[in-house]
Amino acid sequence: NAGVMQNPRHLVRRRGQEARLRCSPMKGHSHVYWYRQLPEEGLKFMVYLQKENIIDESGMPKERFSAEFPKEGPSILRIQQVVRGDSAAYFCASSPNKGGGTTQYFGPGTRLTVL
Amino acid sequence: SQQGEEDPQALSIQEGENATMNCSYKTSINNLQWYRQNSGRGLVHLILIRSNEREKHSGRLRVTLDTSKKSSSLLITASRAADTASYFCATDEDDYKLSFGAGTTVTVRA
Repeated sequence: NAGVMQNPRHLVRRRGQEARLRCSPMKGHSHVYWYRQLPEEGLKFMVYLQKENIIDESGMPKERFSAEFPKEGPSILRIQQVVRGDSAAYFCASSPNKGGGTTQYFGPGTRLTVL
Repeated sequence: SQQGEEDPQALSIQEGENATMNCSYKTSINNLQWYRQNSGRGLVHLILIRSNEREKHSGRLRVTLDTSKKSSSLLITASRAADTASYFCATDEDDYKLSFGAGTTVTVRA
C-alpha cells in the first residue's frame, strides 16, 4: 500500500506565477488535510477536505489560496500570484476516517520556493 | 493558535544515551500524538496517547501524559544515530485539526 504521494517535491516559481501542488492520499483514505511549514516552525493547519467537499478551510489565507479534492484524481492546493512569503514546505496528510484518535499519514511534502 | 510547545528546542546526546523531550499545551485535549521529521522529509507518526491514558510504550519510545499539568513527555531510550531528527507533539482540535509545536531537534552523536 503506497503512502501519501505528493508532487512535485520541489517547485520554484517567480513572483506572480501560479503554484499547483498535488496530493494523492493513501488507498482507501477519503479525508485529506493540507498543512504549511515555515522554516524553523511546526506545521500549521490549512484545510480539510473530503471527496468533492471542503470541510474546514479556516487555516487558508482568504485570498490567492484554494484547494479541491475532486471525485477522481488527486487533491490540489493552488496558490495564485505567489509572493515570497509563500515560500514554505506544504504537507498533505490523509486518513481513512475522521474522529478523535485517527492517525493522519503525511506525505513527503512539496517545497515551494518563490524567487 | 499554536497548541503544543516542545521543550527543549534542541538536544544533543551521545549514542546509547536516553533523550527526553517535553510538550505543553493550553486547552483540553482528546488525544496527543508525537511525530518525527527527518531533515527535509515528511512527518512520521510515532505514537498516539489518549486523554484517559497516562503512559504508552512503543519499542524504544515511552510517552507519558499528565492532563492535570497539560503536559506530555517523549523518552527515547538507547538512542541511535538514526534517531537524529526533529520531534513534534500535536494535539487535535475539532477531531481532525492537528496543532503542532515548533519541535525539538535531537542530534545523536556517534
